[in-house]
Amino acid sequence: AQSVTQLGSHVSVSEGALVLLRCNYSSSVPPYLFWYVQYPNQGLQLLLKYTSAATLVKGINGFEAEFKKSETSFHLTKPSAHMSDAAEYFCAVSGTTTGTASKLTFGTGTRLQVTL
Amino acid sequence: NAGVMQNPRHLVRRRGQEARLRCSPMKGHSHVYWYRQLPEEGLKFMVYLQKENIIDESGMPKERFSAEFPKEGPSILRIQQVVRGDSAAYFCASSSGSGQYFGPGTRLTVT
Repeated sequence: AQSVTQLGSHVSVSEGALVLLRCNYSSSVPPYLFWYVQYPNQGLQLLLKYTSAATLVKGINGFEAEFKKSETSFHLTKPSAHMSDAAEYFCAVSGTTTGTASKLTFGTGTRLQVTL
Repeated sequence: NAGVMQNPRHLVRRRGQEARLRCSPMKGHSHVYWYRQLPEEGLKFMVYLQKENIIDESGMPKERFSAEFPKEGPSILRIQQVVRGDSAAYFCASSSGSGQYFGPGTRLTVT
């Protein structure tokens, strides 16, 4: 069984400040981990994914995340927030094999607000 | 290369009617997943299909919901006799085996 916990349903940062969105996972098998972003009334866009290669993963729009097995965490960071980063962010986990293990289990999401 | 396409984008149905949601995967992708997003919630897995086969339907409600991915044409999620509680955004994602890419979703409103 797999699950994801996103700490903080709402996060507010100032423009130019560090963005840190927290994600902890639970998995009985080696996981793949993902961050997606959703803008209002749109679908999900893949930001980055961890698939058991490098533990520090760089994604689009300046985001990155680090897989820490000892802490079962996959937190998303960006050094300097931009107004356009305001959106809903979802962390997700899947198994590493194909078939039934490939379905994504999502966290409940974190809404990022960026203020001037 | 076109992304995942879903239609319609918005669908309004009265209680008791049928809803058909279509998903065309990215070119070269043979795996399709359907997810449902209720208001103010995350996405919940419904069903995973490959061409002509249902691989995992553990997230599908036992009644009124069905899905298919025929040899030719898009994947279809069908909801019979819709109820108010079916109002949600339905997203499909396609994959070639590494990472899932999402469509824009169909927003179903049941009146």
